[in-house]
Amino acid sequence: DVKVTQSSRYLVKRTGEKVFLECVQDMDHENMFWYRQDPGLGLRLIYFSYDVKMKEKGDIPEGYSVSREKKERFSLILESASTNQTSMYLCASNTGGSSYEQYFGPGTRLTVT
Amino acid sequence: QQQVKQSPQSLIVQKGGISIINCAYENTAFDYFPWYQQFPGKGPALLIAIRPDVSEKKEGRFTISFNKSAKQFSLHIMDSQPGDSATYFCAASRRAGNNRKLIWGLGTSLAVNP
Repeated sequence: DVKVTQSSRYLVKRTGEKVFLECVQDMDHENMFWYRQDPGLGLRLIYFSYDVKMKEKGDIPEGYSVSREKKERFSLILESASTNQTSMYLCASNTGGSSYEQYFGPGTRLTVT
Repeated sequence: QQQVKQSPQSLIVQKGGISIINCAYENTAFDYFPWYQQFPGKGPALLIAIRPDVSEKKEGRFTISFNKSAKQFSLHIMDSQPGDSATYFCAASRRAGNNRKLIWGLGTSLAVNP
C-alpha cells in the first residue's frame, strides 16, 4: 500500500512565525504535491515537484515556498504565517509521467492566530 | 475561472436512494476523469475514473456516466448507504509537458440518512 504521511495532524502557530509542514512518501514516487483545502473552494494546488530539487508553482504559490532535498520528502514552508493561511494542507504523490492517480496524506490542519 | 464545475455543493439522500453528482468541463484536452472520495479526517482517495472513449463505467454501486458531446460527466451512487457519507470531488486530467495536470471540482458534501 502506498503511504503518504504528514508530520502533524494539527498545528497552531502565531502570525509571523515560520512554519514547516513535512510530507513523506514510501513508494519512490517521482511527483509530490501540496494542496490547501478550504470549504467551498475545493483543493487548490500550491506547488508540486517532479524530481529532487525541482519544483513548479501551482495555482496559489504566494506566501509559500517548498523544498525537496530527498525524493521521499517534500516540505511546505510558510515564511511568515498569516491568518489567511489557516487551512487544511494536503500532501499527495504519484509516479509521474502519464500517471493519473494521486495518493494523499491525511492532511495537516493549520491554525494561525 | 473554474475549469471543472461541480454540482450540487451538498446533497442529502435517504438510505437506499440514488445519489447523483454532476460535473462539466470546457477544455477538450482533458482525457481522464477521476472521482475522489474524502472521509472526514482523511485525504481524498481515488474512487473511480473514466476515459472519454467510453460512455459509462461501473464499479459496484458506483457508476460514472460520460457525455463527451455535452462535456459533462456524473457520478451515480446506487443504493446509497450511511457509510457513503463523504465529500466527493470530480476532476479532469490533461497532459502538461512530461506530466499530467489535474483540475479539481469544488466538491460535493454527501450525507446519507439512515
